[in-house]
Amino acid sequence: QSVLTQPPSVSGAPGQRVTISCTRNTSNIGATYDVHWYQRLPGTAPKLLIYVNNNRPSGVPDRFSGSRSGTSASLTISGLQAEDEADYYCQSYDSSLSGPVFGTGTKVTVL
Amino acid sequence: QLQLRESGPGLVKPSETLSLTCTVSGGSISSPGHYWGWIRLTPGKGLEWIASIYHDGNIYYNLSLKSRVTISADTSKNQFSLKLSSMTAADTAVYYCATSLDLYKRNWFDPWGQGTLVTVSS
Repeated sequence: QSVLTQPPSVSGAPGQRVTISCTRNTSNIGATYDVHWYQRLPGTAPKLLIYVNNNRPSGVPDRFSGSRSGTSASLTISGLQAEDEADYYCQSYDSSLSGPVFGTGTKVTVL
Repeated sequence: QLQLRESGPGLVKPSETLSLTCTVSGGSISSPGHYWGWIRLTPGKGLEWIASIYHDGNIYYNLSLKSRVTISADTSKNQFSLKLSSMTAADTAVYYCATSLDLYKRNWFDPWGQGTLVTVSS
């Protein structure tokens, strides 16, 4: 069971805005760690989408944005496009693992 | 530009040891600044970090897998490798190698290899 929980799926029509949450479920609520996001298109490797909560690597469209507040983070896709249909994962640090931990993953479907 | 590529068997028998290699191009694994790691994607558990190795040889394990994992580096070939023992069906996954700047704050992985599917079956 991951310490980072995401909704299994979200969907939206082209042009709509969708938001994916990533919630840390741990008793160590005083700890706040940065969150990163990945997009995994079907049959491909995960691609870094957002790092340190709200930073986009070069080449990532600005319709992707991230935010973090306390022990929760979110990824927003503004102006959903057909090519955004993919799995999305958040990632952070977990002290119990002494290393990186990934969220449970969210499948985005474009209606 | 860093590029990573996994290689290894696609099929492993239960109880056997999986051996995978990641070949790095566009940079040296013996240079400081990058941690070289393994991550897997399973249908049941999603993405799971397995282990990482630094240029100085320091190794960092997911504590839940530590007893079965060995990670090593061959700087002469610019490769690093993963061994996972006592394989079971639950270890069936796509295995990726990837790099990060550290494991605590700057712990995002970029880039990733294309991944290799490993199936555990007799």
